[in-house]
Amino acid sequence: AQSVTQLDSQVPVFEEAPVELRCNYSSSVSVYLFWYVQYPNQGLQLLLKYLSGSTLVESINGFEAEFNKSQTSFHLRKPSVHISDTAEYFCAVSGFNDMRFGAGTRLTVKP
Amino acid sequence: EAGVAQSPRYKIIEKRQSVAFWCNPISGHATLYWYQQILGQGPKLLIQFQNNGVVDDSQLPKDRFSAERLKGVDSTLKIQPAKLEDSAVYLCASSLLAGGLQETQYFGPGTRLLVL
Repeated sequence: AQSVTQLDSQVPVFEEAPVELRCNYSSSVSVYLFWYVQYPNQGLQLLLKYLSGSTLVESINGFEAEFNKSQTSFHLRKPSVHISDTAEYFCAVSGFNDMRFGAGTRLTVKP
Repeated sequence: EAGVAQSPRYKIIEKRQSVAFWCNPISGHATLYWYQQILGQGPKLLIQFQNNGVVDDSQLPKDRFSAERLKGVDSTLKIQPAKLEDSAVYLCASSLLAGGLQETQYFGPGTRLLVL
């Protein structure tokens, strides 16, 4: 079975600053990796995912994540955050018939 | 296109009572998932349907939880009898293809259950 650890439960940051949300996973099989986001009063929605190929994946709103197999990590980064990025971010890993989510990181962007 | 619908949005019951949650996935989506999200934790996959068959229910507490997806469309998750530790948000999600867990999942707003 897979497991996911999100190393920070809360990340406060000022607007226009860079941010990194950390995610480590463990698995004995090949995995797919995801970041889902939950904006206030909304449901979870996919931000980006890694299935295969290039280890750097990007979202349409400026986030990127890099799959690092040797470090079993899939950290999420953005060079300059906006107030509207305030949300809870969940890292998830899936293998064969098993999907696990991390506990989430609450990103708060302050003006 | 309409998103994943869930009802009710909130439910308060006493322990040992029964409760049922309903989910209508996005039209045409083959795969449906039920998750349990306890406060402060990430979603935990309870059961996965492909069309009307169960793909995986290894984390479903089968002594009290049951789920069905009749006709491969909408689905019902039931808890009978409920315990205090069942207090959580129950999320339903769907994905277009029956291609496994690499598919993008679309989540509903969830049902918040409080067991007193």
